[in-house]
Amino acid sequence: KQEVTQIPAALSVPEGENLVLNCSFTDSAIYNLQWFRQDPGKGLTSLLLIQSSQREQTSGRLNASLDKSSGRSTLYIAASQPGDSATYLCAVTGTASKLTFGTGTRLQVTL
Amino acid sequence: EAGVAQSPRYKIIEKRQSVAFWCNPISGHATLYWYQQILGQGPKLLIQFQNNGVVDDSQLPKDRFSAERLKGVDSTLKIQPAKLEDSAVYLCASSSLRTGGHEQYFGPGTRLTVT
Repeated sequence: KQEVTQIPAALSVPEGENLVLNCSFTDSAIYNLQWFRQDPGKGLTSLLLIQSSQREQTSGRLNASLDKSSGRSTLYIAASQPGDSATYLCAVTGTASKLTFGTGTRLQVTL
Repeated sequence: EAGVAQSPRYKIIEKRQSVAFWCNPISGHATLYWYQQILGQGPKLLIQFQNNGVVDDSQLPKDRFSAERLKGVDSTLKIQPAKLEDSAVYLCASSSLRTGGHEQYFGPGTRLTVT
């Protein structure tokens, strides 16, 4: 059974700092890995999707890496802004297109 | 391309009442998913449809939850009777078999509060 773990559970940083969120998964037989953003009480916004054959994806100030063999991914956020405050969820797609989520990292960027 | 639509966005009910949620997937997406997300947790798959057939409902509490996808397009998820622990955000997602079905697109969710 696939298990996804995210560390840390919560993070508070001052504006302008670079930060890294971590995700690990137990079964390396995945099709892809996604990072989502979720604002309180709202739905999910897909940030980056990395196919299993890829090593990283970049979008603006976000960079996600994937090391499938070790079961790890990181989300790097450069020059953080208060608007980045949200919960960040990592999810992997396994067999039968089943998506397994981590419990998320709650990020607060302070002024 | 229109995204996944869900309604209502918010619902407050008393325990033992019933409630229904509606989802309209992206046009042409054969696969539809319902997730339950309890506060502080990641979303948990309740049921997966492919067209109008059920692929996986292993985590659906069938004594009180039911879902249908008539005609393979829209879907409804019903809870009857609701319990306090059903308070959560209910997310609908869809994916396309034409692109391998491995990327899911999520709707805005329905936030349910059971009092």
